[in-house]
Amino acid sequence: GAVVSQHPSRVICKSGTSVKIECRSLDFQATTMFWYRQFPKQSLMLMATSNEGSKATYEQGVEKDKFLINHASLTLSTLTVTSAHPEDSSFYICSAVNSGGAKEQYFGPGTRLTVT
Amino acid sequence: ELKVEQNPLFLSMQEGKNYTIYCNYSTTSDRLYWYRQDPGKSLESLFVLLSNGAVKQEGRLMASLDTKARLSTLHITAAVHDLSATYFCAVDISGGSNYKLTFGKGTLLTVNP
Repeated sequence: GAVVSQHPSRVICKSGTSVKIECRSLDFQATTMFWYRQFPKQSLMLMATSNEGSKATYEQGVEKDKFLINHASLTLSTLTVTSAHPEDSSFYICSAVNSGGAKEQYFGPGTRLTVT
Repeated sequence: ELKVEQNPLFLSMQEGKNYTIYCNYSTTSDRLYWYRQDPGKSLESLFVLLSNGAVKQEGRLMASLDTKARLSTLHITAAVHDLSATYFCAVDISGGSNYKLTFGKGTLLTVNP
């Protein structure tokens, strides 16, 4: 149980384009999901908290107009990187909290974004 | 602002040896998590520690939490090569109300034959 999927696992896009990453909780409902970014050899950096049915809460320094988050259902949150630039290349990881069970984060497998 | 400090950041050890990774945090919390990350992969949950004095063991790994000292330890017993990975601790200071985690920088463990 408590499986979280991400799609795609890898994506390459050209500078200036937008890319959408999906995060799904497969066997539980998640009112709250989180989006992290991880640069090589660094720790996870929380970007934003995604709340079902309401606006996401962004961490300081994260551009909300660049990283669009939508949490339209209890099993799906999406992160759209708009007008991507090479410096946005990173490993993006989502997590989901089981609303009805153990209150801990379950992590997705991550999405490797490369912007050329 | 919560600070979570892990040490050491790099650990190279021989198979069969024991060692401890430390995780200190700056604000009161009784919810601490340990994760493992293999290269190119996401996080794998190892331990969830939810109270002072909590101790959990799985195989060659044992984690403990001392909330008064604001310290958690991850002890490795008789290391094997398969334990080579990066280990992160993460702290929730919300008391479980918003589940938000602050991560340490990670400890890169290399176990040599």
